[in-house]
Amino acid sequence: AQSVTQLGSHVSVSEGALVLLRCNYSSSVPPYLFWYVQYPNQGLQLLLKYTTGATLVKGINGFEAEFKKSETSFHLTKPSAHMSDAAEYFCAVSDTWGKLIFGQGTELSVKP
Amino acid sequence: GEEVAQTPKHLVRGEGQKAKLYCAPIKGHSYVFWYQQVLKNEFKFLISFQNENVFDETGMPKERFSAKCLPNSPCSLEIQATKLEDSAVYFCASSQGVSGGYNEQFFGPGTRLTVL
Repeated sequence: AQSVTQLGSHVSVSEGALVLLRCNYSSSVPPYLFWYVQYPNQGLQLLLKYTTGATLVKGINGFEAEFKKSETSFHLTKPSAHMSDAAEYFCAVSDTWGKLIFGQGTELSVKP
Repeated sequence: GEEVAQTPKHLVRGEGQKAKLYCAPIKGHSYVFWYQQVLKNEFKFLISFQNENVFDETGMPKERFSAKCLPNSPCSLEIQATKLEDSAVYFCASSQGVSGGYNEQFFGPGTRLTVL
């Protein structure tokens, strides 16, 4: 069975600083991995996904993530945080039937 | 349409009443997924459909929850005899497929159900 663990329920960074949101997964099959962002009172928006191929995945809004099989990790990074990045971020893995198994979420705060 | 549409946006029910939520997937998408978000953070998968057929119902509480996706109609999720614990935001998502590059799920804005 698949599972996802997000380390840190809340991360706070200063504007312009590096953003690092951690995600570790467990999967018995080659995983499909996703990062979604949720702004208050809204649905989920896909930031990026890993299916196969290149392990460094670039997404929208300057975010990227690297799939590391040996570490079972898929951490999300952004070189320079912007105030508009403040939101809840969810890492997810999909099972062979397509359903998403989500982590607990990480709330990102950006200080001016 | 180009976006997943969910109605209503908000739904308030007294305990024991029925609640029915609707979802129109993106045109051309064959798969529909329902998720329940409780307490802002925790997402729970409920059920998925491939066109009008149930694809995966492993997350569905069988007793009071039911769902359908009929041709030429929005999909629906119905809760009979709601309980306080059903208060949550219910999200619908659709995708072209479930594997390879087609498994990106596009989410609707959600329906917030409050059971009093």
